[in-house]
Amino acid sequence: DQQVKQNSPSLSVQEGRISILNCDYTNSMFDYFLWYKKYPAEGPTFLISISSIKDKNEDGRFTVFLNKSAKHLSLHIVPSQPGDSAVYFCAASGGTYKYIFGTGTRLKVLA
Amino acid sequence: NAGVTQTPKFQVLKTGQSMTLQCAQDMNHNSMYWYRQDPGMGLRLIYYSASEGTTDKGEVPNGYNVSRLNKREFSLRLESAAPSQTSVYFCASLKGAEGAGGYTFGSGTRLTVV
Repeated sequence: DQQVKQNSPSLSVQEGRISILNCDYTNSMFDYFLWYKKYPAEGPTFLISISSIKDKNEDGRFTVFLNKSAKHLSLHIVPSQPGDSAVYFCAASGGTYKYIFGTGTRLKVLA
Repeated sequence: NAGVTQTPKFQVLKTGQSMTLQCAQDMNHNSMYWYRQDPGMGLRLIYYSASEGTTDKGEVPNGYNVSRLNKREFSLRLESAAPSQTSVYFCASLKGAEGAGGYTFGSGTRLTVV
């Protein structure tokens, strides 16, 4: 049973436009969420996080939104750049020192 | 400033062979983890060590063993490799309680079992 779901395996966006990546979770005990970015042949790198006490967190071009009632979070990238092309993973934790990852969404930003 | 270092980067094993994947971190982090990444499956937790001297099973522990050798090092052992263990393995560390930044990952070990 997948506790963290990313239902879109891939997404293509034009350079300069907004990219929206979505993530759903089922476990109401999750209270901390992360987004990671992964390039081929590299380990995932941390992008942005959000705690359940917030509904939005912003860092430059990246914003994460959390809707606790819907158990849904999204990552917005504005404006999208070709260098943003990568696989994005969301991850969730419920204070257990373990993160559960989604299956990833491959973002392609078209120049 | 190496972060998390994994060795080897690539490995081909025959079915039934054994091997140990090594991981070391130089950030004085308390917790260490082993994940595997498979197409369409995301990153799945194999084993983790919340602190030196402790280890616990994750989502997919069967066929693996781990050793938290000291605070820096956390190894993953395949006693009798199977084709189903063909995957990319990532080691990660976490400073302590959840906080900004989450895991720091190594660059991965690509393992093929034939």
